Amino acid sequence: NAGVTQTPKFQVLKTGQSMTLQCAQDMNHNSMYWYRQDPGMGLRLIYYSASEGTTDKGEVPNGYNVSRLNKREFSLRLESAAPSQTSVYFCASRQGVVESGNTIYFGEGSWLTVV
Amino acid sequence: AQSVTQLGSHVSVSEGALVLLRCNYSSSVPPYLFWYVQYPNQGLQLLLKYTSAATLVKGINGFEAEFKKSETSFHLTKPSAHMSDAAEYFCAVSDMKTSYDKVIFGPGTSLSVIP
Repeated sequence: NAGVTQTPKFQVLKTGQSMTLQCAQDMNHNSMYWYRQDPGMGLRLIYYSASEGTTDKGEVPNGYNVSRLNKREFSLRLESAAPSQTSVYFCASRQGVVESGNTIYFGEGSWLTVV
Repeated sequence: AQSVTQLGSHVSVSEGALVLLRCNYSSSVPPYLFWYVQYPNQGLQLLLKYTSAATLVKGINGFEAEFKKSETSFHLTKPSAHMSDAAEYFCAVSDMKTSYDKVIFGPGTSLSVIP
């Protein structure tokens, strides 16, 4: 069972470069998420997608864009990377049925360093 | 907007002692509440969740949490700590007013277990 797969696992960028983090889930989940994790800050929601074709801003969307390419895939793009975007990024998915409280399943994380 | 606070960024307990990790939430409507655990260099996995059924929720690895509406709390406990419990623990909330799909995490509590 692959679950939630995100790539790349590690990436070093120079300031101003762009890149896309890819995420795919094979659980037929409706909702997908991108979080960033920083020391002492916990996980902060960047963007989420409640269903195919919809995306919404989370707590810290500035500097990021997302695309829900299809039900399986949800990508995160940094158009012009900044050192403040150095972080560990987690993709996640959930069935998303309202009032079900379904479990969120996380990928293994992508370590991004911007120099 | 909903939010989560976790009192104590770092908690140390002796092996065999009670584990108590605190979580308080802010939500104007009944929430869904979750506890997740993260082991080093891994993604997060669900420990337990509250979804408006029983207020005392039992999870994996001997953990449990009690939803107290009057205190807006959802503290995590385990009667006897084991060395393998050393990890980062995150409380999370979602609610109908914002969107059940928007899941917000607290800053996390790092648990150390002393032999």
